[in-house]
Amino acid sequence: EVQLLESGGDLVQPGESLRLSCAASGFTFSNNAMSWVRQAPGKGLEWVSGISGSGGRTYYADSVKGRFTISRDTSKNTLYLQMNSLRAEDTAVYFCAKSSTGAVAAPFDHWGQGTLVTVSS
Amino acid sequence: DIQMTQSPSSLSSSVGDRVTITCRASQSISSYLNWYQHKPGKAPKLLIYAASSLQSGVPSRFSGSGSGTDFTLTISSLQPEDFAIYSCQQSYNSPYTFGQGTKLEIK
Repeated sequence: EVQLLESGGDLVQPGESLRLSCAASGFTFSNNAMSWVRQAPGKGLEWVSGISGSGGRTYYADSVKGRFTISRDTSKNTLYLQMNSLRAEDTAVYFCAKSSTGAVAAPFDHWGQGTLVTVSS
Repeated sequence: DIQMTQSPSSLSSSVGDRVTITCRASQSISSYLNWYQHKPGKAPKLLIYAASSLQSGVPSRFSGSGSGTDFTLTISSLQPEDFAIYSCQQSYNSPYTFGQGTKLEIK
């Protein structure tokens, strides 16, 4: 059974940094691309960033480009999102999502339950 | 970036009703369109991919259609567990944008 478990969400002040993790199990981690998707309070889903199965290609939404970095550690079956220079508008529940193939564009066939990031002074 | 617009934003229906939700892309995305269902506090669930392909394990009352810029998600006979938020997503190019969501509520 595929399982994705996010962690690392917290309350931080504007300008601070945070690293999210997503522990994956139940599939061959290196075979599938992974993404982070967020949902701000009262808003719809927003794709944030994706990384190919090999880790060689990364993609970002304009709203986080230059501030967030996605990475993956195949030895630990873990996906990361390093978030720097956090802003109030980054407040959201962050989901990790598994693509059905090694391409980031492939449909997200499994999701975690999310971790809450709150940016507030 | 490709903008995805769903209508309606919310919908009240009864168990047994047939429901249709539409999604429009700001440019042609061929059939690179996915539909997800999500409920508060739970992981979102893939329902339809490539505009009309039913994800494994999803009940056959769910169906999708469309290509180019206009797409629909249809639920043929609403069940109590179907009351949720439905979102479309384009996977044509990055950033892989979502629609704003359609909240399906019990009448």
